Formats: sequence, C-alpha cells, structure tokens
Amino acid sequence: SQTIHQWPATLVQPVGSPLSLECTVEGTSNPNLYWYRQAAGRGLQLLFYSVGIGQISSEVPQNLSASRPQDRQFILSSKKLLLSDSGFYLCAWRPMQLDSYTFGSGTRLTVV
Amino acid sequence: DQQVKQNSPSLSVQEGRISILNCDYTNSMFDYFLWYKKYPAEGPTFLISISSIKDKNEDGRFTVFLNKSAKHLSLHIVPSQPGDSAVYFCAASENNYGQNFVFGPGTRLSVLP
Repeated sequence: SQTIHQWPATLVQPVGSPLSLECTVEGTSNPNLYWYRQAAGRGLQLLFYSVGIGQISSEVPQNLSASRPQDRQFILSSKKLLLSDSGFYLCAWRPMQLDSYTFGSGTRLTVV
Repeated sequence: DQQVKQNSPSLSVQEGRISILNCDYTNSMFDYFLWYKKYPAEGPTFLISISSIKDKNEDGRFTVFLNKSAKHLSLHIVPSQPGDSAVYFCAASENNYGQNFVFGPGTRLSVLP
C-alpha cells in the first residue's frame, strides 16, 4: 500500500535560520508531489509541485525553495527563514491514474 | 482573486441534523471537485469527489451536489455527528489528470451534542 511520510511534525526555528522539511512516499513510483501551506485563517496554498526528479514548479514567489532529488522524495527548504514563513506545511502526492491527493500529516513551523 | 470560495468560515449544527457546507468558484473551466476534511495538526483526508458530468454524488452520510450553471457546489452531511467537527475544504481543478487543485479557505464545522 502507498504511504506518505512527512517530518518533523513540529519545528521552532529562529528568524534567519535555514529550513529543511522532508517528504517521502512509499509504494508507488513517479508520483506527482506537492508542498502546500496552511496559514492561520487561510486555506491551503500551493507552494511547489513536481512531476518528476529534478522538475519543480513554483506557484508563488517566496522565501522558500523545493527540490526532488529522488523519485519519491520531496524537500522544502529555505536559506533564511522569515517570521511570515510560520504556518502548517503539508506534503501531498497524487498518482496520475487516481483522482485525488493524499496528504501527509503536516509540519507545524513556528519562526520566532 | 480567489478562484474557490467558501464564504462561511464557520458553521455550528446540532448532532443528528443536516450540515450543509457551500463552495463557489469563478473559473468556468473547473470540472472536477473534491471535498477534504481536516482535523487540527493533521493532514487533510479525502472525503468525496464529483465531476461535471454529474450533479450529485453520494457516499454514506456524505452527498455532494454540483450546480455548474451557478458555479456552486455543496456538501451535505446527514446525520451530523460530533466526530464530523473539523475544517472542510473544497477544491477544484480543470480536469482530474495533471492539473493542480485550487483549494478554498475552508469552513470550520462544529457539531454540537
């Protein structure tokens, strides 16, 4: 069966520090992978998506970047965090032949 | 400009009654829609979907209705249970392959015992 792992679950980081959030998918190959952010009082905002290794599309300009070094690994990074980067970050995957996303359990990031 | 709108940030319903969550969209090219449910500190879980070739899809206590001419869909939960208390997101895409979903801001449903 397919599963998605996302870690860490919570993270408190100082302003200006780097960030690395990791997401891996098991039990499938060549999934579409996504990073979403849920900010307080707002919906789910698509940050990045990837249709394959090394292929990253950015939906909104921001302080973050994403990488896909392996087929089932998707990483969200920042060189220097801002206070406004605080939020709940969700990784999701979508196999091409199915019609919905499966989300990870999320990472609560607080930038202080 | 928000393409997917959920104009009610919150909704309270008595246990056993019907919950109706609404969603409106502006992009007439959207033809595939999802509803997700999210508990605090967890990822959203898929509930039910509907494509534009249908106007209704039912799965147990959950029914989604689509009115394409009005660009409106709704999720009905009957009967509502306390465990249904969560944030509900509506999402839309132009097709169900390859296109990314656009999510609404969510509606927080509280089912009161």
